[in-house]
Amino acid sequence: DGGITQSPKYLFRKEGQNVTLSCEQNLNHDAMYWYRQDPGQGLRLIYYSQIVNDFQKGDIAEGYSVSREKKESFPLTVTSAQKNPTAFYLCASSISGQTYTEAFFGQGTRLTVV
Amino acid sequence: GNSVTQMEGPVTLSEEAFLTINCTYTATGYPSLFWYVQYPGEGLQLLLKATKADDKGSNKGFEATYRKETTSFHLEKGSVQVSDSAVYFCALIPNTGGFKTIFGAGTRLFVKA
Repeated sequence: DGGITQSPKYLFRKEGQNVTLSCEQNLNHDAMYWYRQDPGQGLRLIYYSQIVNDFQKGDIAEGYSVSREKKESFPLTVTSAQKNPTAFYLCASSISGQTYTEAFFGQGTRLTVV
Repeated sequence: GNSVTQMEGPVTLSEEAFLTINCTYTATGYPSLFWYVQYPGEGLQLLLKATKADDKGSNKGFEATYRKETTSFHLEKGSVQVSDSAVYFCALIPNTGGFKTIFGAGTRLFVKA
């Protein structure tokens, strides 16, 4: 079955540590995205990528970094510079350039700073 | 700019009640419009979509009609079930060269047995 896989489902981080969230898709989609969701709030775009080896900052990129070395993979690193990283992180993908096609989401990673 | 506004929640209904969740948008031209649903602890799933004016999207008893004249895409269901309890997001993709989805803030629905 095609889809998006995020791992781990739960992640705990100590203050001052960097952590990397994994996102893999086998939908052959060009575009991939990372969103942050805080309790009771909507989705905020962190980073997005339209093609391999290229990505752009979203609305809240500070304290985060990404890479896109393969079409299937778009890992997100939450750095120690992110002051309030506890949140639910969602990865998504879509067919780039097609405005009528929906985004497909992974199951999310819940990150907690301890 | 492009934006989506949804009615604030939570919305609490009894089972078999009629559901309406209002959604209005601001965009140039004719964006594509979507409703996504998020069950507790999960990612978002597409519920329905409409890509041009007067289109009606429907799925699992939910419906929404693309109204260009009122820039709206209200979600409706005739008889809700407890299993419909979730957060519902209205969203758009502008047709002005962008491909990023713009989401509303989400509306939480609680359905009581």
